[in-house]
Amino acid sequence: KAGVTQTPRYLIKTRGQQVTLSCSPISGHRSVSWYQQTPGQGLQFLFEYFSETQRNKGNFPGRFSGRQFSNSRSEMNVSTLELGDSALYLCASRTDPANTGELFFGEGSRLTVL
Amino acid sequence: DAKTTQPNSMESNEEEPVHLPCNHSTISGTDYIHWYRQLPSQGPEYVIHGLTSNVNNRMASLAIAEDRKSSTLILHRATLRDAAVYYCTLWVNRDDKIIFGKGTRLHILP
Repeated sequence: KAGVTQTPRYLIKTRGQQVTLSCSPISGHRSVSWYQQTPGQGLQFLFEYFSETQRNKGNFPGRFSGRQFSNSRSEMNVSTLELGDSALYLCASRTDPANTGELFFGEGSRLTVL
Repeated sequence: DAKTTQPNSMESNEEEPVHLPCNHSTISGTDYIHWYRQLPSQGPEYVIHGLTSNVNNRMASLAIAEDRKSSTLILHRATLRDAAVYYCTLWVNRDDKIIFGKGTRLHILP
């Protein structure tokens, strides 16, 4: 079956703009989480959605937001972009929050902020 | 806060076993230990996870110390395709989120 799909794979924005990234989980997976990966900070948890509700979130400013649709697809949005937001944004899916096993990651969306 | 500590990099010869160590002294009793690896230009890939007992799967083995403050990922016979960054992570049960370490870059020498 198809894996986790993230779009777009690459994008370039300028400071002050906003960006929306999309994630389609594996079919049947209802939980989607988002991560930011940078050389300096490594992989950091942003937030997780299940049943269209945010379950938990990491230590990121309110400029980072997300949502989940009824088909489990998720989007994350970053407003008022800063240079430091340049990163690889990864999403991962799992069947549901009760499953503390394997997370399935997408290939990521690489955002460059100029 | 929960965290993991790993060597920045390690080297191993092809077809030899590799032992990747991880310290997680702040682990709580219900936190799971997960290992992921990331190849260039790809997202992390699940390797193995465990709670208290040692675990084996087709990819690797996970040895967990009795006090759970450290663990070791064992690749039984390294191949060139195993060259990647290996992340030792904690699934923090009370927060229901995963905390990634900085990772160990594993180099495999032919």
